[in-house]
Amino acid sequence: QLQLQESGPGLVKPSQTLSLTCTVSGDSITNINYYWVWIRQPPGKGPEWIGSMSYTGNTYYNPSLKSRVTTSDDTSKNQFSLRLRSVTAADTAVYYCARQGVTLGTEFFHRWGQGTLVTVSS
Amino acid sequence: EIVMTQSPATLSVSPGERATLSCRASQSVSINLAWYQQKPGQAPSLLMYDASTRATGVPARFSGSGSGTEFTLTISSLQSEDFAIYYCQQYNDWPPLTFGGGTKVEIK
Repeated sequence: QLQLQESGPGLVKPSQTLSLTCTVSGDSITNINYYWVWIRQPPGKGPEWIGSMSYTGNTYYNPSLKSRVTTSDDTSKNQFSLRLRSVTAADTAVYYCARQGVTLGTEFFHRWGQGTLVTVSS
Repeated sequence: EIVMTQSPATLSVSPGERATLSCRASQSVSINLAWYQQKPGQAPSLLMYDASTRATGVPARFSGSGSGTEFTLTISSLQSEDFAIYYCQQYNDWPPLTFGGGTKVEIK
């Protein structure tokens, strides 16, 4: 059964870089049928899509975050990662990793990780 | 960017009653709309996709309808486990993929 687990620091200082990793079990991130995705949810608000990446190299970012976001993968560990630069308090949120279909009409989020709270504070 | 608007923000319903949630898109998304359920302290989970197709394991009391810009999620007879926040999300035209602001279904 597919499981996704986020990991990384729970506290990041303003202006620094937020780095998170998602470890996938039950599927391979080399599966060309899926995107591997980051989503965040500020406290008390709705989810916000950050970006989607596929093993084939297609990567898409939210235009509102594109200048600060980088995603990458480590196929040997079946993990993918998020880096968000120059964080501010507005980046405080629960960060989720998820799996998304690549086929037209399946690009919803099939499965989510449990999420990890990242607080930006000095 | 397609803006998704959900109404009402909060819906107070008694157990056993019917709940009707609305989601509106700023432009047509065809049927490329998903609904998610989020319980306190948990991640959202897929409830419905293609506007009206229930995800695996979702009870039949949940139904979805609509196309274009207007969508509805109906819970025919609310059970205690259904009290949660519901989000709609469009995947017709992206990036970006966009969510609505959510409807909280609470016990009346």
